Amino acid sequence: ETGVTQSPTHLIKTRGQQVTLRCSSQSGHNTVSWYQQALGQGPQFIFQYYREEENGRGNFPPRFSGLQFPNYSSELNVNALELDDSALYLCASSFVGLSTDTQYFGPGTRLTVL
Amino acid sequence: DAKTTQPNSMESNEEEPVHLPCNHSTISGTDYIHWYRQLPSQGPEYVIHGLTSNVNNRMASLAIAEDRKSSTLILHRATLRDAAVYYCILRDVEDSNYQLIWGAGTKLIIKP
Repeated sequence: ETGVTQSPTHLIKTRGQQVTLRCSSQSGHNTVSWYQQALGQGPQFIFQYYREEENGRGNFPPRFSGLQFPNYSSELNVNALELDDSALYLCASSFVGLSTDTQYFGPGTRLTVL
Repeated sequence: DAKTTQPNSMESNEEEPVHLPCNHSTISGTDYIHWYRQLPSQGPEYVIHGLTSNVNNRMASLAIAEDRKSSTLILHRATLRDAAVYYCILRDVEDSNYQLIWGAGTKLIIKP
């Protein structure tokens, strides 16, 4: 059983550019959630995908978008990058249908916007 | 806003028990109490969860107050590897929008 993986580990972009972050879910999981974590703060929920459909969204603008693929891997896309988008981006996979709904996190992608 | 309140930081000595408190006075009957921790430079990892009864697993114990308005995560014998930020989170199982709302957590410092 493989864990959640994310790529790349680090990324540097300039303001106004677009970025795509990738996540490979844990085997057997059907749900992926994306979080943004600023330095010294807890993660903030961006959105969740369940069976390739967006299943919930936090307080993030439309320039944050995502995809989930049939193999349950996922992408987070951010357009028109702003300096405040600099953060650690975490993806977490889970299997909806269990009462525990435990989320398994990847190591994150550190995005720096200059 | 986070629905839980935790101390910003706590210190403990290595090989001693640690009790991490969490207040959740507005908890509803369908809220599970989840604990995650985040080691330095890593993603969060699940620790334990419970609804009403105390719970034990290989990592920790969770003690839940009778009125469910507070809980305590217990590390029975802390090691240096337990130094992390610990998050207490409520998860409503009737909420189909599976969103974990995180606070700032408690930074646990373990002294050798």
